Amino acid sequence: AQKVTQAQTEISVVEKEDVTLDCVYETRDTTYYLFWYKQPPSGELVFLIRRNSFDEQNEISGRYSWNFQKSTSSFNFTITASQVVDSAVYFCALSEAVVRGGADGLTFGKGTHLIIQP
Amino acid sequence: DAGVTQSPTHLIKTRGQQVTLRCSPISGHKSVSWYQQVLGQGPQFIFQYYEKEERGRGNFPDRFSARQFPNYSSELNVNALLLGDSALYLCASSWTGYTEAFFGQGTRLTVV
Repeated sequence: AQKVTQAQTEISVVEKEDVTLDCVYETRDTTYYLFWYKQPPSGELVFLIRRNSFDEQNEISGRYSWNFQKSTSSFNFTITASQVVDSAVYFCALSEAVVRGGADGLTFGKGTHLIIQP
Repeated sequence: DAGVTQSPTHLIKTRGQQVTLRCSPISGHKSVSWYQQVLGQGPQFIFQYYEKEERGRGNFPDRFSARQFPNYSSELNVNALLLGDSALYLCASSWTGYTEAFFGQGTRLTVV
């Protein structure tokens, strides 16, 4: 069965520091998708990125970057020069059963609460 | 364009009662999924509907049911509410299911 582990329950850093959120996943499928979402206190999950299992290229979007390594089953998320507005809970998620249109839904980790102190 | 909208935003029910939560997907999206998020945990998958048919179901009891309407909006029903059903219920919509899912702000259900 699929599983997503976010070992860091809470991280606190001072503004402008770089911070990396870890995500380790387990799956038997060879085709799958990995996601990162941000959940601010309002509760809505905000989509950040989707990566398919055949694309191991790292991705950068502004201050955000993602490192996908199939060899270690990891999909880590780095925020460079963190800002107070980055404070939120961040979730890593996995979608299997691509051939059935992801019918098993997303499997989420427990989330990492990121606190950026001014 | 409007995002995913859910109603109501907050709800308080008594044990044993029944509740219906509603979700309107982003225009053009045909897939709606429901998730339960207990405080301090990640969301747990309940159902996925695509083109008005149930395509996937998570590990939830039969007290949970859902449906999708011709306009692709969806309802989640929970019968015989338990205290443990207290949670944030999130609805997500997407084009086909495993594309990036866009979430609504959720319905906060409290069972007393």
